[in-house]
Amino acid sequence: NAGVTQTPKFRVLKTGQSMTLLCAQDMNHEYMYWYRQDPGMGLRLIHYSVGEGTTAKGEVPDGYNVSRLKKQNFLLGLESAAPSQTSVYFCASRSWIGELFFGEGSRLTVL
Amino acid sequence: GEDVEQSLFLSVREGDSSVINCTYTDSSSTYLYWYKQEPGAGLQLLTYIFSNMDMKQDQRLTVLLNKKDKHLSLRIADTQTGDSAIYFCAESYSSGNTPLVFGKGTRLSVIA
Repeated sequence: NAGVTQTPKFRVLKTGQSMTLLCAQDMNHEYMYWYRQDPGMGLRLIHYSVGEGTTAKGEVPDGYNVSRLKKQNFLLGLESAAPSQTSVYFCASRSWIGELFFGEGSRLTVL
Repeated sequence: GEDVEQSLFLSVREGDSSVINCTYTDSSSTYLYWYKQEPGAGLQLLTYIFSNMDMKQDQRLTVLLNKKDKHLSLRIADTQTGDSAIYFCAESYSSGNTPLVFGKGTRLSVIA
């Protein structure tokens, strides 16, 4: 089992460029999440999904969009990247007892 | 709103016990979790406790829950250098639709 896979693992963007982070899980979980992790800030929830075709805003949704067209995939998009979006992004899916399974992270730098 | 608080740093000597503390605000929490993050990796579940329990022990790990004070602690016995990591406390509620709320994490440094 691969668990949760994120691509790409590293990316450098220029201000104003767009990109999409892909998260895929093979555990048939309904719930999926996108977090960002910054030094001293812990994990902050960007968007989440409680099932195929659903999305909801988290704590810091501005500047990001998401889609959950297929149950196993959760996409995070940046339409116009800003330096403040330089961060490490983690995707996670959730089991029925609430255990989160995290991907290895995607390190994004916006110049 | 929900809030989970942890101290940011803890330093212990190899072989000593480590105690990482966490306080939370919502008394309706159903599950409380401890996650571990090693450098360059995502978080992994270390252990969890149901809110109707006071203590849970798993090998070197002991979780204590004080519901009255909304205080959760993680004790690591015989701390090893491999235990150096960031430890996150998190809470969730009976409704699966509600995302987990994480603390900011405690960075544990183990000195050989």
